[in-house]
Amino acid sequence: QKEVEQNSGPLSVPEGAIASLNCTYSDRGSQSFFWYRQYSGKSPELIMSIYSNGDKEDGRFTAQLNKASQYVSLLIRDSQPSDSATYLCAVNEGASNYQLIWGAGTKLIIKP
Amino acid sequence: KAGVTQTPRYLIKTRGQQVTLSCSPISGHRSVSWYQQTPGQGLQFLFEYFSETQRNKGNFPGRFSGRQFSNSRSEMNVSTLELGDSALYLCASSLGAGPSYEQYFGPGTRLTVT
Repeated sequence: QKEVEQNSGPLSVPEGAIASLNCTYSDRGSQSFFWYRQYSGKSPELIMSIYSNGDKEDGRFTAQLNKASQYVSLLIRDSQPSDSATYLCAVNEGASNYQLIWGAGTKLIIKP
Repeated sequence: KAGVTQTPRYLIKTRGQQVTLSCSPISGHRSVSWYQQTPGQGLQFLFEYFSETQRNKGNFPGRFSGRQFSNSRSEMNVSTLELGDSALYLCASSLGAGPSYEQYFGPGTRLTVT
């Protein structure tokens, strides 16, 4: 069964520090990788997508993809209390299937 | 551009009843996916529609069904409700169907079955 694994946390990070969130996946055929943020009681909000090995930066967020090691990570620089949320990793199931497989999410707490 | 809208936002039903949830995607988006989210199971894929055709289906019983209209709006129906169907039902829209398309979520419909 194809899986996406995330540490459930909570991950506690001081305000202003770098928060590092990790996600591993089992399907070597996966091509598309997404990070979402979900505040309690709200729906998931897309942060970033990444499709190629390496880093992709968007403001304070950097996604890193390593297909050989089958992991994708999200770095949040200069963490703010408003970044406190659950972060979901989603990976497409193989090259011929459009379905996304979702991780259970990592709860991030930014301490002022 | 308006986001994904879902109606109703909250719903309380009794076991055995049926329910229909509605989703209007972002203008121009042709793909709609439905998910069930519960604290214990996380986000579970229900089905995806593109151009009025179901392209993918998750591992849910036949009580869960959906459809998409020519204007890309989608509905999902749950018949013979069970207590375990209590969940947040999320709809996500994307421009097209395929692994490279980003999905954007609506606010969800919170269903409580008593």
